[in-house]
Amino acid sequence: NAGVTQTPKFQVLKTGQSMTLQCAQDMNHEYMSWYRQDPGMGLRLIHYSVGAGITDQGEVPNGYNVSRSTTEDFPLRLLSAAPSQTSVYFCASSLPGGPAGGSEAFFGQGTRLTVV
Amino acid sequence: AQSVTQLDSQVPVFEEAPVELRCNYSSSVSVYLFWYVQYPNQGLQLLLKYLSGSTLVKGINGFEAEFNKSQTSFHLRKPSVHISDTAEYFCAVSARLSGGYNKLIFGAGTRLAVHP
Repeated sequence: NAGVTQTPKFQVLKTGQSMTLQCAQDMNHEYMSWYRQDPGMGLRLIHYSVGAGITDQGEVPNGYNVSRSTTEDFPLRLLSAAPSQTSVYFCASSLPGGPAGGSEAFFGQGTRLTVV
Repeated sequence: AQSVTQLDSQVPVFEEAPVELRCNYSSSVSVYLFWYVQYPNQGLQLLLKYLSGSTLVKGINGFEAEFNKSQTSFHLRKPSVHISDTAEYFCAVSARLSGGYNKLIFGAGTRLAVHP
């Protein structure tokens, strides 16, 4: 019973490099989202998707790209990494309506990214 | 616009003592309210949620929260804490995005440290 799986768990990037954070869920959830967690700021929504082929921006989308070709996968791409993107990234999935519609959000274990 | 304020960044408490983690929100419309818990090096897990109905909400692990509309608060309580309750706790409120979808707005978090 995997739930939400994120890879990698840790990553160090040099400024300007690009990479993709992977997120996969096996619960057939339509709603998926990416958050970043920074000290003293809680979690902030980067991008979200309400189903395959449908994505939209959250609060802090700049410097990130997403796509949703399947229900299971929702990768997050960093286009040109900057030190300000050093953070812990969480992927979450939930039933239709999303967590704010009352559905429980299931979170992955996070990816700790450092940009030097 | 909705926002969430968690009044304490850290709460130290002795084992078996009661604890209250405070959360205030601002919103001009009806909201859904949530408490999530994050254990060390883990993703977030739903503790409890208020959608409607009874203002006293019971969650997992013996936690409960009371929705107070007049004071715009949603404080989390536990009558007797255990060492295993040491974690970070996040209060969250629902918010409507453009396009009709919802998102969660998180508070900055309260770190609960239970000492023997």
